[in-house]
Amino acid sequence: DAGITQSPRHKVTETGTPVTLRCHQTENHRYMYWYRQDPGHGLRLIHYSYGVKDTDKGEVSDGYSVSRSKTEDFLLTLESATSSQTSVYFCAISESDRGCTFGSGTRLTVV
Amino acid sequence: GEDVEQSLFLSVREGDSSVINCTYTDSSSTYLYWYKQEPGAGLQLLTYIFSNMDMKQDQRLTVLLNKKDKHLSLRIADTQTGDSAIYFCAPHSGGGADGLTFGKGTHLIIQP
Repeated sequence: DAGITQSPRHKVTETGTPVTLRCHQTENHRYMYWYRQDPGHGLRLIHYSYGVKDTDKGEVSDGYSVSRSKTEDFLLTLESATSSQTSVYFCAISESDRGCTFGSGTRLTVV
Repeated sequence: GEDVEQSLFLSVREGDSSVINCTYTDSSSTYLYWYKQEPGAGLQLLTYIFSNMDMKQDQRLTVLLNKKDKHLSLRIADTQTGDSAIYFCAPHSGGGADGLTFGKGTHLIIQP
């Protein structure tokens, strides 16, 4: 997907365990985003980054943290996974106002 | 914040035109995007329109913008089975920092 890779693609984890999802880009875009997609809610912004070490909260940030130590990598961490965090997670990148490019998604199941 | 509303489902016959509608609340939206999501895939940017335009045409796609009513539509001419997907409207207020606000998406169902 145009130089953006998410890993893993699928993950099943137990309640209370930490989970880290990775987004890697080769486009050198400044902005990176994490969204979650749930039935009935569409896509909701979790966190975003506007540069290395510069991040901010989105609409549904509770229970999530992010880090961006390099331009190309944006990590999303669930410190203690809960069943309500079962979702499909999408990373996106952008450089200008010409829209975002999305990764293929990570399907996370918390049991 | 921005609210974006779309109908959840639209059913059309193959070969007919599909019109997907979207209303939004932020009058300062400068770019308005349409994304397409096929099953099991990420979102793909389909087209976009600047807020100073009324219409944009791109092959089978026509985007209409009524800025006064904050209404955006996507028309797909000669709808094909490959157009079956979820379509998301996403207005943006400009500047790349704070991401897009998405509607819940319209499922386009194609009848043979």
